[in-house]
Parts: sequence; C-alpha cells; structure tokens
Amino acid sequence: EDQVTQSPEALRLQEGESSSLNCSYTVSGLRGLFWYRQDPGKGPEFLFTLYSAGEEKEKERLKATLTKKESFLHITAPKPEDSATYLCAVKVGFGNEKLTFGTGTRLTIIP
Amino acid sequence: GAVVSQHPSWVICKSGTSVKIECRSLDFQATTMFWYRQFPKQSLMLMATSNEGSKATYEQGVEKDKFLINHASLTLSTLTVTSAHPEDSSFYICSASGGHYNEQFFGPGTRLTVL
Repeated sequence: EDQVTQSPEALRLQEGESSSLNCSYTVSGLRGLFWYRQDPGKGPEFLFTLYSAGEEKEKERLKATLTKKESFLHITAPKPEDSATYLCAVKVGFGNEKLTFGTGTRLTIIP
Repeated sequence: GAVVSQHPSWVICKSGTSVKIECRSLDFQATTMFWYRQFPKQSLMLMATSNEGSKATYEQGVEKDKFLINHASLTLSTLTVTSAHPEDSSFYICSASGGHYNEQFFGPGTRLTVL
C-alpha cells in the first residue's frame, strides 16, 4: 500500500531560524511528488513538483529536494508569513490521477 | 499556476435541504476534477474523481447518492449534497488538473454548516 509520512507533525521556529520538513514515501511507480502550502480556512496552494531523485526546486525562502525515499522542504530564514501547514502528496502509477497526501506539518514562525 | 474558484465560500442550510457547490477552472481546461472533504486539523480526504463528460468515481465509503457530482464541461464541476444533515458539515475543497498541468490546483474551499 502506498504511504506518505510527514514529520514533524508541528514545528515552531523563531523568525530567521532555518529548518527542514520531511516527507518520506513508500510507493510503487512514483509519477510526481508535490508540495502544497495550506493556510487555515483556505484550499492548498501549489508550491513544487519533483519527479526524480536529485531534483531540486526553489522559490523565495523555500527549497524542495527529492531522493528515492523522501523529500525535504528546506525553509531558510523564515518569516512569520511562512506560518502554514505544509502538505506533501504523491501521484503513483499510470492512468491514476489521484494524489495520496501526508498528514502535513504545521509550521509556526514566531516573530 | 492555474486558478480554480469555488462558489459559495460558505453556506448555512437547514437539515434535509440540498446544497450545490460549484468549482470552476478559470484559465485552463480541466479534464479531471476532484472533490475533497477536510475535517479540522486533518488532511484532505478524497471523495471522488470526475472526468469531463463521464460519471464520477467515488472513493470507498462515500455515498454517491448523497454527494452528487457533475462535470458537464471542461471548466465546471458541481457537488450537490442532498438531504444534508449536521454530520455533513465540513470544509469541501475541489481541485482540477488537465491540459499541460500534471499538478492539481485547488479552489479556496467551501465551508458547509448544516443546522
């Protein structure tokens, strides 16, 4: 069975304190790993798509990386507005457009 | 990224009534749309997948007669919650993919409260 596990469940950082969120996966036939940001009461906002081990994507203070077993979302010098829940999801197999989500990491940046 | 809208953003209804939620892809043709339900502090739960012009595929445990999904065009899908009850109160989110997008783009969500 395909599994996606995110850690930690919650993370509190001081403003400017860099850290990483983890998404580990056990799937057959990965067709993409996706990172989303979700603010309370809103739908998820797309951040990155990664397809193969070694791939990296960057956007402002965020950088996503991928290995054969896990993905990291690195946050450099975060600001309070980076506070949100970060969701990782995978697409598996051909002819299947569904995403399997992890449970998310709730990130709080303290000013 | 692509833009997906939902309407209404919130709705309050009486028990036993039906509620329709619209999901629109504004700047791309969505061959596939998805409907999710999210409980407080939990991740998204996929309810159903719909392809334009086809019947929706429901996830196990989701009542197809209660949650009616129509995907009549490449830019519009609707979710109708029939004979709503308080336990149907939740946050409903749609997403869309298609065209040259491999990603799913999400709408802003609809908060349904059934009294």
